[in-house]
Amino acid sequence: DAKTTQPTSMDCAEGRAANLPCNHSTISGNEYVYWYRQIHSQGPQYIIHGLKNNETNEMASLIITEDRKSSTLILPHATLRDTAVYYCIVRVPSNTGKLIFGQGTTLQVKP
Amino acid sequence: EAEVAQSPRYKITEKSQAVAFWCDPISGHATLYWYRQILGQGPELLVQFQDESVVDDSQLPKDRFSAERLKGVDSTLKIQPAELGDSAMYLCASSSSKIRGYYEQYFGPGTRLTVT
Repeated sequence: DAKTTQPTSMDCAEGRAANLPCNHSTISGNEYVYWYRQIHSQGPQYIIHGLKNNETNEMASLIITEDRKSSTLILPHATLRDTAVYYCIVRVPSNTGKLIFGQGTTLQVKP
Repeated sequence: EAEVAQSPRYKITEKSQAVAFWCDPISGHATLYWYRQILGQGPELLVQFQDESVVDDSQLPKDRFSAERLKGVDSTLKIQPAELGDSAMYLCASSSSKIRGYYEQYFGPGTRLTVT
């Protein structure tokens, strides 16, 4: 699975959009980009995933560059409850695939 | 909404003692995972089951850790003897639903182990 690089930490004002970047320059053609987040003292929670097209769901939007070497997770209106560690993971989807977590980005949403 | 259940939520044990964690996955989920998360790091897979069979235990310290899923439903992870370095959060996850080729993993709340 391709390696990812994320900033260690970021701040965001409540109500503003939070844009979390992820670099995955060694991604291969059949690897998807996934995002999970982990709120303090809880297990990780799936957010969104994509291959090459931009994706949106009720939680967030995922923007993947045309060369697929980087992506951005967007939380359109961040709330205090969005304070968490956000993990960007690149992998081939399968029912035997483990998730390889890096250090992630700690997002602090401030009032 | 169905959830992955884990117990206990917190466990304090002395080194050299035995400790066990229990996980009940979401009903119908055939795949079960145990991850370990050391403070300040991301979770790391210890063992993966497909039904009652082990699919991946390459990172499981087999001299002291064991895991079973006898009937392909709930699972137990055991450590014997516990060492100070085993202090961590132990997370259980399950998956089954296929969303456009991706098997989303649902995580439980974890068991926080402290070895003294």
